[in-house]
Amino acid sequence: GAVVSQHPSWVICKSGTSVKIECRSLDFQATTMFWYRQFPKQSLMLMATSNEGSKATYEQGVEKDKFLINHASLTLSTLTVTSAHPEDSSFYICSARPPATGSGTEAFFGQGTRLTVV
Amino acid sequence: GENVEQHPSTLSVQEGDSAVIKCTYSDSASNYFPWYKQELGKGPQLIIDIRSNVGEKKDQRIAVTLNKTAKHFSLHITETQPEDSAVYFCAANDMRFGAGTRLTVKP
Repeated sequence: GAVVSQHPSWVICKSGTSVKIECRSLDFQATTMFWYRQFPKQSLMLMATSNEGSKATYEQGVEKDKFLINHASLTLSTLTVTSAHPEDSSFYICSARPPATGSGTEAFFGQGTRLTVV
Repeated sequence: GENVEQHPSTLSVQEGDSAVIKCTYSDSASNYFPWYKQELGKGPQLIIDIRSNVGEKKDQRIAVTLNKTAKHFSLHITETQPEDSAVYFCAANDMRFGAGTRLTVKP
């Protein structure tokens, strides 16, 4: 299967600072990328869907000014958690879908980033 | 958007037994239904998927069935092994996940 690389795999930051998480599709071009947040023992909650070159579509209840998503190229999307607080501590996961395949095909997942805000 | 419900939330079986996890979806236009396995601290890995033009798909010990009329689909794992222990998620094609099922296979 295709490879999606997420970096960093874990990060610890101080409250009030910002953290950037990168999601790269290594061997395919991804027109659509998804960002999820997962709290312990819970499901993956879709935060936003990003399409290359356009603004991300955020799910209800997700603050777009706090979780900045940039999808500037077909192989890279970034999620920046701004002014992070301890309640933002979570496991963040991205996935990427190859182009020209519509919604009816597989998306490939990164390995996740564990964010801890102290 | 799509609403996906998954049951049960936990499932414990004896090694060698079968395990079945069920999901229902709300959007009749959905046409792609993947199943993912997630191990602790890792991202989800696709294990099998099915499209709406097919009623059943099998890959060795894993199978998925789809009932479009009833809007539900199921994951079947036969001859379970301890390494099948993980959390399993279903999803519908806009990539919204079910709540997950923690499967434990006892040796």
